[in-house]
Amino acid sequence: GAVVSQHPSRVICKSGTSVKIECRSLDFQATTMFWYRQFPKQSLMLMATSNEGSKATYEQGVEKDKFLINHASLTLSTLTVASAHPEDSSFYICSAEVASGMADTQYFGPGTRLTVL
Amino acid sequence: QKEVEQNSGPLSVPEGAIASLNCTYSDRGSQSFFWYRQYSGKSPELIMFIYSNGDKEDGRFTAQLNKASQYVSLLIRDSQPSDSATYLCAVNPSGAGSYQLTFGKGTKLSVIP
Repeated sequence: GAVVSQHPSRVICKSGTSVKIECRSLDFQATTMFWYRQFPKQSLMLMATSNEGSKATYEQGVEKDKFLINHASLTLSTLTVASAHPEDSSFYICSAEVASGMADTQYFGPGTRLTVL
Repeated sequence: QKEVEQNSGPLSVPEGAIASLNCTYSDRGSQSFFWYRQYSGKSPELIMFIYSNGDKEDGRFTAQLNKASQYVSLLIRDSQPSDSATYLCAVNPSGAGSYQLTFGKGTKLSVIP
């Protein structure tokens, strides 16, 4: 199957710090990647769709100036949490879309657990 | 609002039994359907997808789709304790760009040794 990596796996930072999370497709090219956030015991919440070479599409309620997404190549998308605050503490997961006949599928990275003190 | 509904569980089954996980969706135009498994503290892992009515089997897993009833299920045969996880149903709703997925809240499965 398709392999997606994320780095770092865990971040602990002080309030006001900006945090950058990388998402890479290791054995395939991903025109489209997705960024999700998951709070404890809740389901995945789509934050934004990242398209290579163009601006990301953000879901309603997600601040584009706070969650900066860059998809500079077909194998790398980055999410920067600008001036993180404790309420931004969450599990951030990226996924990459793989074309597969009738059903393009999403493969997830291992996630990044962000804790803002 | 396009919704995907799952029973949150927990669903408890004895080891070796068949676990049956159910999912309903509201968007009749949905085209493709996915089951993911998520262990506690980990990210989702794709189990299988289905897009045609009927059954699709992969090892111990069988996905069943009934578009008329807007219902998709996952059967796990010979359940093992290692199958204990939260199972997420995901649907590609009609009209969504770039194959965005709408996820259910997941069903927690516990396989009792």
